[in-house]
Amino acid sequence: GIQVEQSPPDLILQEGANSTLRCNFSDSVNNLQWFHQNPWGQLINLFYIPSGTKQNGRLSATTVATERYSLLYISSSQTTDSGVYFCAVPNDYKLSFGAGTTVTVRA
Amino acid sequence: DTGVSQNPRHKITKRGQNVTFRCDPISEHNRLYWYRQTLGQGPEFLTYFQNEAQLEKSRLLSDRFSAERPKGSFSTLEIQRTEQGDSAMYLCASSLGTRQPQHFGDGTRLSIL
Repeated sequence: GIQVEQSPPDLILQEGANSTLRCNFSDSVNNLQWFHQNPWGQLINLFYIPSGTKQNGRLSATTVATERYSLLYISSSQTTDSGVYFCAVPNDYKLSFGAGTTVTVRA
Repeated sequence: DTGVSQNPRHKITKRGQNVTFRCDPISEHNRLYWYRQTLGQGPEFLTYFQNEAQLEKSRLLSDRFSAERPKGSFSTLEIQRTEQGDSAMYLCASSLGTRQPQHFGDGTRLSIL
């Protein structure tokens, strides 16, 4: 099945800093999702981004499907951005998730 | 616009007991998925329904696990004779189609004593 790798595994940020999270995948995909799992375990949809760039407030994502990677940008980070960020790609109809990037934003 | 609803949010039970979880998908979504997430890992696929038909079961789903989706609406996941290794977060998701985003519920956290 398709392999998904995320980097870095952990990220510690000072409030207000910017950061980039990366997701590599082993085969061509027709869509990709980014999620934020908050400290309470809720898995929140951030982006559905098969290709190109999308922005939502301080977050943006870019997927380059031909090169098999996606990037998630967090700008002006806030403590509420803390949690685990997952990317997931379809493997037939089910999603295959990466291991996640744990982000800690310090005040 | 209600999202995917799961209950209970938390379940604590003794080893050997049976447990059942419920998932109510977004109303117009005909596809429903169950995933399991253990500490420090991403969610892993368990099973998938299209309407009321269960189309795939992961090898993670031992014969102690059973899932149903009567009438293609809500779904239940039952674990019989629970074991310590069943402790995990059980997540339900739904989608409008296979090329549509999956939306997740808040999960049921199972703890086996």
